[in-house]
Amino acid sequence: GAVVSQHPSWVICKSGTSVKIECRSLDFQATTMFWYRQFPKQSLMLMATSNEGSKATYEQGVEKDKFLINHASLTLSTLTVTSAHPEDSSFYICSARWGLQETQYFGPGTRLLVL
Amino acid sequence: QKEVEQNSGPLSVPEGAIASLNCTYSDRGSQSFFWYRQYSGKSPELIMFIYSNGDKEDGRFTAQLNKASQYVSLLIRDSQPSDSATYLCAAMDSNYQLIWGAGTKLIIKP
Repeated sequence: GAVVSQHPSWVICKSGTSVKIECRSLDFQATTMFWYRQFPKQSLMLMATSNEGSKATYEQGVEKDKFLINHASLTLSTLTVTSAHPEDSSFYICSARWGLQETQYFGPGTRLLVL
Repeated sequence: QKEVEQNSGPLSVPEGAIASLNCTYSDRGSQSFFWYRQYSGKSPELIMFIYSNGDKEDGRFTAQLNKASQYVSLLIRDSQPSDSATYLCAAMDSNYQLIWGAGTKLIIKP
C-alpha cells in the first residue's frame, strides 16, 4: 500500500521558535498533500491543501504567514510553524494522494509541544 | 454547507457481535466515500472506500452505500477488542475534497 512518512514524530520547542515538519510519500508521487491538525479528543481539522509546484490553499481561519507550506517536489511537503506559541501545541498530520479521485493516505503524525 | 454526520458515540458492542457504524452526507454531488479508523493517539488509516450503490466487502468489513438516501454505513463482523477505535467517514465532493465526519467512537467489550 501507499506509505507516507513524517518527521519528526515528536518535537518540543520553546515559545517563539519555528518548527519544520516534513511529509514524504515513499512509494508514490503525491500530486496533492494535505495538512491537518487535531487537538485532543477533537476531530481532524484541515489546515491547507498543497499541490506540487504551486502555492498552498489555506482553510478559513488558518494563518498562512504562521503556517508556511512548501510542496517543492512530488514526494515532499513541509509545514513550518513560525514563532510557535503554546496554543499551537497539537497533533499535526499530513496526507497525500496521487490523483484527484484517489484515496488520501496519512502519515503517522507529529506531536508538537510548545513550552 | 456540505456536511457529513456521524453519531459521536461511544457505541458499545460485545465481542463477536456485528458493529454497525452509520454516516449521512448532505452533498448529492459526492461520488466516493471513505472509512478510516483512528486509534487513540495515532493517525487515521484507511479501511475501505466505496463509490457504487450497494455493498462492498473486505474481510470482516462491509461498506454499504445508498445514494438515494445519502447514507453510508460500515459493518464489522465478529468484532474484536482490537477494533475499538474512532471510525471516520468522509465523502469526496465534486471538487475532489474530502468532507469529514467527526467520527464515531467504537468500544468492543470482551
